[in-house]
Amino acid sequence: GENVEQHPSTLSVQEGDSAVIKCTYSDSASNYFPWYKQELGKRPQLIIDIRSNVGEKKDQRIAVTLNKTAKHFSLHITETQPEDSAVYFCAASIGSSNTGKLIFGQGTTLQVKP
Amino acid sequence: DGGITQSPKYLFRKEGQNVTLSCEQNLNHDAMYWYRQDPGQGLRLIYYSQIVNDFQKGDIAEGYSVSREKKESFPLTVTSAQKNPTAFYLCASSILAGTEAFFGQGTRLTVV
Repeated sequence: GENVEQHPSTLSVQEGDSAVIKCTYSDSASNYFPWYKQELGKRPQLIIDIRSNVGEKKDQRIAVTLNKTAKHFSLHITETQPEDSAVYFCAASIGSSNTGKLIFGQGTTLQVKP
Repeated sequence: DGGITQSPKYLFRKEGQNVTLSCEQNLNHDAMYWYRQDPGQGLRLIYYSQIVNDFQKGDIAEGYSVSREKKESFPLTVTSAQKNPTAFYLCASSILAGTEAFFGQGTRLTVV
């Protein structure tokens, strides 16, 4: 069925190092791939997204890359800081723009050690 | 973020009772979603709606029901048929399917 797989489930890095989280999706028609950050006890918030007509997008220390052929996309965080510690979710739009739904990965708990 | 409100923040239910979670948005969004969040399982889709008076089942719809009588409202009822209802429930909305989803602050439901 339609699904989004996310790895790793936990990630621990030293402050200043880079962190990479990877996701794969099953529906080749998916065209929208957002990443959300959820801090403890709070709602998920969008940090970056990418559409299928673009291979890479950057926003300061955060970047997302998309490989449509392989059906996978990745989140890259450079120069990590303790405040980057949170749960990160990838998602993919499944179905058409009028009837589609947003399916999320299982989440990655990122810990940045000072 | 702002503009989508869930209530209550905490909810306790006795076994065998139905309970309804509220979700309201004033963002004029067409699409609305309900997700369930359990530790280590990410966000699982319960129901979603693209337009008023229409909704579709997600991956874990059994034991839940929804309605979409108004564009701004998408309440979720957790019925007694839901075997393990204790969880954190998140409502979201987006302008259209396949665009940025904005989340409410969530409702933590506990069965006592």
